[in-house]
Amino acid sequence: DIQMTQSPSSLSASVGDRVTITCRASQSISRYLNWYQKKPGKAPKLLIYIVSSLQSGVPSRFSGSGSGTDFTLTISSLQPEDFATYYCQQSYNTPRTFGQGTKVEIK
Amino acid sequence: QVQLQESGPGLVKPSETLSLTCIVSGGSISSYYWSWLRQPPGKGLEWIGYIYYSGSTNYNPSLKSRLTISVDTSKNQFSLNLSSVTAADTAVYYCAREARGGFDSFDYWGQGTLVTVSS
Repeated sequence: DIQMTQSPSSLSASVGDRVTITCRASQSISRYLNWYQKKPGKAPKLLIYIVSSLQSGVPSRFSGSGSGTDFTLTISSLQPEDFATYYCQQSYNTPRTFGQGTKVEIK
Repeated sequence: QVQLQESGPGLVKPSETLSLTCIVSGGSISSYYWSWLRQPPGKGLEWIGYIYYSGSTNYNPSLKSRLTISVDTSKNQFSLNLSSVTAADTAVYYCAREARGGFDSFDYWGQGTLVTVSS
């Protein structure tokens, strides 16, 4: 199985801050990397697919980059509705695997 | 707008079979891959397996010996059966659509259903 490791596991930030979350795969996954936002009691929401493509309806303050084994999710200006847990996920092969999550909390 | 809705018992006894169904509305189940995923309390997301509308399946090896996923295209739904459950199978279970062909991501999800394994 491909192991996905996110860092940090949690972070505290203020509204308006620039936030960066990293995800590292245990082997190359080319560009098959997706990002999801998860809020308590809600289903995960697809934010970005194939590294950097913004899902329809997702604000442009979210962006993604990377290739191979190292990837980044950036929120350019954190908004109140962005406080949530973020997961990366590889779709390079099966079993599909997720990172352990990064919880973004209010500072 | 595609919508997915999970249904099934919220409580299952240890050693019994967990059965869930996901009804797809607002779009056809054809030409897509349909997955089950779960999130145990306080833990991360785990992919369980998928089924293609034609019936071909791919299971997580960690669950394969206990798992069956099936599809009923006439009813636009797919189902999960997980046998010999233990407390470790307690989780919120989600069904989701996996888009392929340049998208390769879970783009639509059900709201999730909590299944507790307890006597």
